[in-house]
Amino acid sequence: AQSVTQPDIHITVSEGASLELRCNYSYGATPYLFWYVQSPGQGLQLLLKYFSGDTLVQGIKGFEAEFKRSQSSFNLRKPSVHWSDAAEYFCAVHQGGKLIFGQGTELSVKP
Amino acid sequence: ETGVTQSPTHLIKTRGQQVTLRCSSQSGHNTVSWYQQALGQGPQFIFQYYREEENGRGNFPPRFSGLQFPNYSSELNVNALELDDSALYLCASSSARGETQYFGPGTRLLVL
Repeated sequence: AQSVTQPDIHITVSEGASLELRCNYSYGATPYLFWYVQSPGQGLQLLLKYFSGDTLVQGIKGFEAEFKRSQSSFNLRKPSVHWSDAAEYFCAVHQGGKLIFGQGTELSVKP
Repeated sequence: ETGVTQSPTHLIKTRGQQVTLRCSSQSGHNTVSWYQQALGQGPQFIFQYYREEENGRGNFPPRFSGLQFPNYSSELNVNALELDDSALYLCASSSARGETQYFGPGTRLLVL
């Protein structure tokens, strides 16, 4: 069965530091991959998506992600984190019309 | 362009009751998907509606049912509520079955 794993439940970074959130997927074909962000008590906002083509995709708020087929990974990165980036981040794979989500990574940002 | 909206924002029910949650899809979108997000978990797919027909269902019992209307808005109905139904219910719309899904703010349901 298709699945998504986010190995890090909680990450803390200093403001201005770089960030990488890990995502590994299990999927037989070429996946459609997404990163969403969720602020407390809110819905999910789409950060970026990968369907095909260039394996480095740019998203909103300065985020980018790189698709690596050989590692079954789609890690999210940001070169300099802002305090407003504190939130929960979800990686998802699209399968047959539905999204399969990872458990999420909670990001805390310290001053 | 209007985004996905959901109502109500919060709801408190007791065990055994029934609840109806509503979702208005984004302008131009004809597909609506519903997800349940328990506390500390990722969202879990409940079902999807495309042009008023159920078009895929996750591992949820039949007491979870839905509707989609001609204007593509949708309802999620849950009968015989259980304590474990307490969760954030998210609606997402897309322009077609395989396209990017855009989420509403969710309805938080508490079952006592």
